[in-house]
Amino acid sequence: DQQVKQNSPSLSVQEGRISILNCDYTNSMFDYFLWYKKYPAEGPTFLISISSIKDKNEDGRFTVFLNKSAKHLSLHIVPSQPGDSAVYFCAARVEYGNKLVFGAGTILRVKS
Amino acid sequence: KAGVTQTPRYLIKTRGQQVTLSCSPISGHRSVSWYQQTPGQGLQFLFEYFSETQRNKGNFPGRFSGRQFSNSRSEMNVSTLELGDSALYLCASSLGAGRETQYFGPGTRLLVL
Repeated sequence: DQQVKQNSPSLSVQEGRISILNCDYTNSMFDYFLWYKKYPAEGPTFLISISSIKDKNEDGRFTVFLNKSAKHLSLHIVPSQPGDSAVYFCAARVEYGNKLVFGAGTILRVKS
Repeated sequence: KAGVTQTPRYLIKTRGQQVTLSCSPISGHRSVSWYQQTPGQGLQFLFEYFSETQRNKGNFPGRFSGRQFSNSRSEMNVSTLELGDSALYLCASSLGAGRETQYFGPGTRLLVL
């Protein structure tokens, strides 16, 4: 039962353009969402998060949008840089506790 | 502040053996969670410890166990290793209130032969 889905296995973007990574979820009990970036053989690095009571959160080049009615969130990276090339994971947490449910990840390649 | 540290970074074991992995959380963090990452199943939650007590548990067999010490350091143990236990094991720490960001360590790569 995949409660968090990242339907695009990969995305290729030109340097300087916008990268949009998408994530869908099915569990309406999720109340907090996070995006992590991961390089091979390293642990995930936290990027940005959003509470279910908000619809947008911004941090520098990274913006996360949440559409609760559609159970959809997206991560926008503007402008994209070659160093952004990595695997991006969407994660969601239920109301209590620290259990994170992860999507399968999207490989982002930023071409210079 | 130092980040989450995990030891060892790499490990090779044979089927039937047992293994213990260690995680030291960020100073001041009281919650430690463990995750398994495999190519087929992705990142999956194993369990979470807070104040030396298991607070949450994922859907893994009893061969997977853990504990937390009074200094918040945590260990996880896998007994009777199977080939399918080959994975990257990740530890994440957070303050422990239950609604804050988890920060991950670099992981321990376990290969079972």
